[in-house]
Order: sequence, then C-alpha cells, then structure tokens
Amino acid sequence: GQSLEQPSEVTAVEGAIVQINCTYQTSGFYGLSWYQQHDGGAPTFLSYNALDGLEETGRFSSFLSRSDSYGYLLLQELQMKDSASYFCAVRDRAHNFNKFYFGSGTKLNVKP
Amino acid sequence: DVKVTQSSRYLVKRTGEKVFLECVQDMDHENMFWYRQDPGLGLRLIYFSYDVKMKEKGDIPEGYSVSREKKERFSLILESASTNQTSMYLCASKRGPLGYTFGSGTRLTVV
Repeated sequence: GQSLEQPSEVTAVEGAIVQINCTYQTSGFYGLSWYQQHDGGAPTFLSYNALDGLEETGRFSSFLSRSDSYGYLLLQELQMKDSASYFCAVRDRAHNFNKFYFGSGTKLNVKP
Repeated sequence: DVKVTQSSRYLVKRTGEKVFLECVQDMDHENMFWYRQDPGLGLRLIYFSYDVKMKEKGDIPEGYSVSREKKERFSLILESASTNQTSMYLCASKRGPLGYTFGSGTRLTVV
C-alpha cells in the first residue's frame, strides 16, 4: 500500500522561509508532486520531482531524496497569500502509473 | 490551459437519492479521476478512467459508480446517497506526466 506523512499545521511570519516535509511509503515510487489549496478552492499543481535533488520555481522549491523516501516543499519570502494547505502526492507505478496518492495536507498560516 | 468544469458547486440531497456529479474537461485527456476530500483525511481516490468506457476502482469505491461515455465527460454516481457521503468531491484530469488539473469541486451534503 501507500502512506504519506506530513505535518498537520505550520505557522511562519511574512518574509520568512518555511519547509514542509513529506515522508512516504509506496510499493513502486515514480514521483512526488506538491499541490496548493486555498480555503474553498481546488488544489493547484505546484511541482513534480521524479529524480533526486532540488527543483526551483520562483519562490517555491521542491526537493526529493528517493533513498530516504522523503521530500519537502520550500517556500521563500513568504507572503500572506501563501496561507493555504499544501499536499504532497506520490505517483505510484504499481497498477497504474497515472495515479497519485495524497497526504492529508499541511495547513500553512502566514502571520504579519 | 486545461479547464476542468464540475457542474455544481453545492448540492443538498436526501438520504436514498441517486446523485449524479458531472465533470467535463476541455482537452483531449485520456485520464480522469474522482476524489473526495474530508478534513484530516486528505484526498482519497474513488474511481478513475483511462479511456472512454474504461474505469478502475480507487481506494474507496463502495457506494459509488462512474460513467465515461465520452472522452471529455466523467460522471460520478452515488447509487443511494447516505449521510457518510457528505463531502467535497473533486474531479481531475491528468496534466501530462506531472500532475492533475482539478475542477473547483462539488460540496455535497446528504441530509
């Protein structure tokens, strides 16, 4: 089966850097995605890592270590609009490689 | 950009009713998905479809069925709605190899 763990809630101040961790267990790992979801909104795709290392997209970066079954999302220069829930999701090659399994989400609170 | 449209934003249905949730995507994507989202549980996969008339069960298919008669449309059916099916339902279309594009969700309340 698959399981993902991420912290339920994180608080940080505007302008700071925050890291949201995700550890996973899966029978056939293929890649790790991150999604952002504002209250009342739909999840939106942020990043995808299939190989070890850091991927940077503007203020957001995502890291993957396949040997440690671990990844994180790094948000820099935090802004109030970054207050949202963040989900990690693993792409599993077992059965059908198009499926993603989601963690329960991390609620990020950005304070002034 | 791919657009995924869910027909209803909010629905209130009675226990025992048959409920249809509709989802349409405007690109030629083979893969479409239905998730439900509940607090503390994240997103759980109900069903997915990788082609017209093809479907596969996800992790929580009990009490649900799906229909994919056309490539752009994927419907979720609650055969006999129950109160434990009160939830946010999210449809998604696969965005290449990277991830999904989600619809804006249907918040279903079963009373």
